Amino acid sequence: QSALTQPTSVSGSPGQSITISCTGTSSDVGNYNLVSWYQQHPGKAPKLMIFEVNKRPSGVSDRFSGSKSGNTASLTISGLQAEDEADYYCWSYAGSSHVIFGGGTTLTVL
Amino acid sequence: EVQLVESGGELVQPGGSLRLSCAASGFTFSNYWMNWVRHTPGKGLEWVANMKQDGSEEYYVASVRGRFTISRDNAKNSLYLQMNSLRAEDTAVYYCARERQGTFGTALDYWGQGTLVTVSS
Repeated sequence: QSALTQPTSVSGSPGQSITISCTGTSSDVGNYNLVSWYQQHPGKAPKLMIFEVNKRPSGVSDRFSGSKSGNTASLTISGLQAEDEADYYCWSYAGSSHVIFGGGTTLTVL
Repeated sequence: EVQLVESGGELVQPGGSLRLSCAASGFTFSNYWMNWVRHTPGKGLEWVANMKQDGSEEYYVASVRGRFTISRDNAKNSLYLQMNSLRAEDTAVYYCARERQGTFGTALDYWGQGTLVTVSS
């Protein structure tokens, strides 16, 4: 099964908003509300930022939000800060006891 | 505080074997699905395998099925990954991660710091 499709890179200036897309199929993203997003800084472990499409774990800034339309999920970061610069990965349940990550997106804060 | 600590990663020759361990603390280990996820600079994150709370179900990504075996010891709060017939493409940082709820596929809410496996001659 192929990875979910994410843009390789996105960028924005401090204070701006950016959105990262995650495109799957009707067998994964489109069929389950089990999309999550992870932030990974270089050399560090991934951190859960969004689960079940649009829910934030305790402690995650409300500048991070998630949504889904059809086979595409999205992560939006508002009020960009330098510390948001990292790699971001989406993840979805794909049925038949299978899960799949996106290819990852590098966010650059200009 | 939830903690996951991986160990066992090292340099191994192609065709060799390695066993990774993950020591869990700060939560009731036997209540959670547990996962192994790997990261490479070129491919990003890849889910490798997971196991149900009581060890009765286990699942693998196609590329490791038949070569890797996940296991757990709830009495020792530990998760393992036995890796056989290792290939260069298995080179990665391997993370142990906890499933957020008691079901498969919700989200991975806690991760270890990772252990590096290098497959090279």
